[in-house]
Amino acid sequence: SAVISQKPSRDICQRGTSLTIQCQVDSQVTMMFWYRQQPGQSLTLIATANQGSEATYESGFVIDKFPISRPNLTFSTLTVSNMSPEDSSIYLCSVVTGGGSYEQYFGPGTRLTVT
Amino acid sequence: TQLLEQSPQFLSIQEGENLTVYCNSSSVFSSLQWYRQEPGEGPVLLVTVVTGGEVKKLKRLTFQFGDARKDSSLHITAAQPGDTGLYLCAGVTGGYQKVTFGIGTKLQVIP
Repeated sequence: SAVISQKPSRDICQRGTSLTIQCQVDSQVTMMFWYRQQPGQSLTLIATANQGSEATYESGFVIDKFPISRPNLTFSTLTVSNMSPEDSSIYLCSVVTGGGSYEQYFGPGTRLTVT
Repeated sequence: TQLLEQSPQFLSIQEGENLTVYCNSSSVFSSLQWYRQEPGEGPVLLVTVVTGGEVKKLKRLTFQFGDARKDSSLHITAAQPGDTGLYLCAGVTGGYQKVTFGIGTKLQVIP
């Protein structure tokens, strides 16, 4: 298992500004992901955070809008840039630990409201 | 695009009642997972089913994977207020490279 913390837990931001969300894991993990959870929609993968290289983004998400850092195996950040009200969402960090059953562990999420 | 449809999307029942939540897709998955998410928290993995037809029990929760590995169900017996939450199913494919989440079933159990 893994214990994941995220900062901040929530924030209210003005449009046009940027917010950086931090994700800290209590153990070293290879696979770390960032998700978005919007009301009435399924959990959507934004990108895979790769340690020592650029993140791998899913269709519809770009690095300029959601830059990601992964400086080591226990920490990652997601920045939501030039925010608009459509970016209001819960952002979740998750990790997959070792083993063959692909068990994902999620952080508590960051609730972002853009006004 | 792989889609997972969950039904019902909302369910409000009295304590002690039974319920079943469904997760359906036209795609075949290597495995299927069920998560529960409470307000202000991230999803927590409840179970992973891997084999077609597999049934797993977790106390009052029974999970079943369809024979063709395209669908799954979650049955709760004698629901309790502590079962309240958002139940998400997630299909895993491609050697663990792709996970698709359903939209979720929001369950409220009234004391």
